[in-house]
Amino acid sequence: EAGVTQFPSHSVIEKGQTVTLRCDPISGHDNLYWYRRVMGKEIKFLLHFVKESKQDESGMPNNRFLAERTGGTYSTLKVQPAELEDSGVYFCASSPRVRQEPYGYTFGSGTRLTVV
Amino acid sequence: AQTVTQSQPEMSVQEAETVTLSCTYDTSESDYYLFWYKQPPSRQMILVIRQEAYKQQNATENRFSVNFQKAAKSFSLKISDSQLGDAAMYFCAYYWGQGAQKLVFGQGTRLTINP
Repeated sequence: EAGVTQFPSHSVIEKGQTVTLRCDPISGHDNLYWYRRVMGKEIKFLLHFVKESKQDESGMPNNRFLAERTGGTYSTLKVQPAELEDSGVYFCASSPRVRQEPYGYTFGSGTRLTVV
Repeated sequence: AQTVTQSQPEMSVQEAETVTLSCTYDTSESDYYLFWYKQPPSRQMILVIRQEAYKQQNATENRFSVNFQKAAKSFSLKISDSQLGDAAMYFCAYYWGQGAQKLVFGQGTRLTINP
C-alpha cells in the first residue's frame, strides 16, 4: 500500500508569504495528525483529524495556521502570513480508525519549511 | 504536563559495537506507552520499539532493546551490533491514551555510525 505522502518536501518562502503544506494519508485511514519540529527542538503535536473533523487542535500555535481535511481524505496546513519562527519540519501521520494508538501510526517524510 | 527529555543531542558509535541512547520523562500517570522512533535522513519516521508501562519486562526487537525503569522514569534504547543503516535521528516519545490522542516527543538524538 502507498504510504503517507507529504509535499512539498522542501519549501523556502519569505516572511509574510503564504505556504500550504499537503498530506495524503494512507487510503482508508480516518485519523490524521500534524506534528512540527522547530529548530532542533522536540517534535510537537499540532492537531488531530478524525475524518474531516478536528478532534484536537490544541497544539496549533496561533491563528496564522489553518488546517483542513477535505472530505476526510487529504489534509492541508496553511501558514498565512509566515513568520521566521515557523521554520521547521512538519510531519503528518495517519492511522486506521480502530488504531489510534501510536503503534498504528504511519508517518510521512515531512516537509521542511524555511522562512527567510 | 508530560515531558520527555533526551539529553544527548548527538551520539556516535563504531560499526558492530553497542550504543545506548538515553531518555527520561515526567508524568503523573501510571498507565502509558513509551516509544522509540527512528528517522533516517529525508525519510519517514518509523517505529523502532514500544513499551507498555504496565509491563515489567523490557521490550526487545532484534538488535534493539530498552531498559525501562518506571520508578526512575527512564527509558533508554540499546542498539547492539550497530550497522550503517542505523544512522538516523532517534526520538523518544510518550503516549498516555486516556486523554488527548497525541505523542509527546523528546528533542531527538542524532546517531552516527562510524565504519
